[in-house]
Amino acid sequence: GQNIDQPTEMTATEGAIVQINCTYQTSGFNGLFWYQQHAGEAPTFLSYNVLDGLEEKGRFSSFLSRSKGYSYLLLKELQMKDSASYLCARANNNDMRFGAGTRLTVKP
Amino acid sequence: SQTIHQWPATLVQPVGSPLSLECTVEGTSNPNLYWYRQAAGRGLQLLFYSVGIGQISSEVPQNLSASRPQDRQFILSSKKLLLSDSGFYLCAWSGGALDTQYFGPGTRLTVL
Repeated sequence: GQNIDQPTEMTATEGAIVQINCTYQTSGFNGLFWYQQHAGEAPTFLSYNVLDGLEEKGRFSSFLSRSKGYSYLLLKELQMKDSASYLCARANNNDMRFGAGTRLTVKP
Repeated sequence: SQTIHQWPATLVQPVGSPLSLECTVEGTSNPNLYWYRQAAGRGLQLLFYSVGIGQISSEVPQNLSASRPQDRQFILSSKKLLLSDSGFYLCAWSGGALDTQYFGPGTRLTVL
């Protein structure tokens, strides 16, 4: 939604690394958020990027390229509990818009 | 610390009935408040946001309305529910328009 694109579904193996990409419209950009949402629950905040580069937080990292309108969320050492939807959201002038989310399934 | 509450957690209502969902925030003053709807397997659709008491911005014209009678209270209402109103309703707060949004536990509404 709102010119934010991310893959609908991804599958990965426990212990592996997965990268979830997000592209967005660059006009009026003010920051990029990633949220995690387990089935039936509310989204929880994971990361925020406003400058180009990589932000690392434990097993999760998020990258931003403002000129390319591109971000990714990197999940390392995948665990079964990481199975969830991952929402990319762009802060734009006075509001924030969410992508449709990427449903990640982690298999043993 | 800040907390956000929503109730009820689940609701089953007949078509044509009224709706009132409540959201309250604790531990912060003058928050931005948001109402989102999430249809099954879909992304978040912003319905309303508020930057202060009595100030409501509507994103999608429909049979829903919102009110903010107090600084930390946000209410979503409808006079007559439609089948298409079924979904997961999430309230969120933030310190400002570009700040991280924190979500309440949500209300799952089923309209029959």
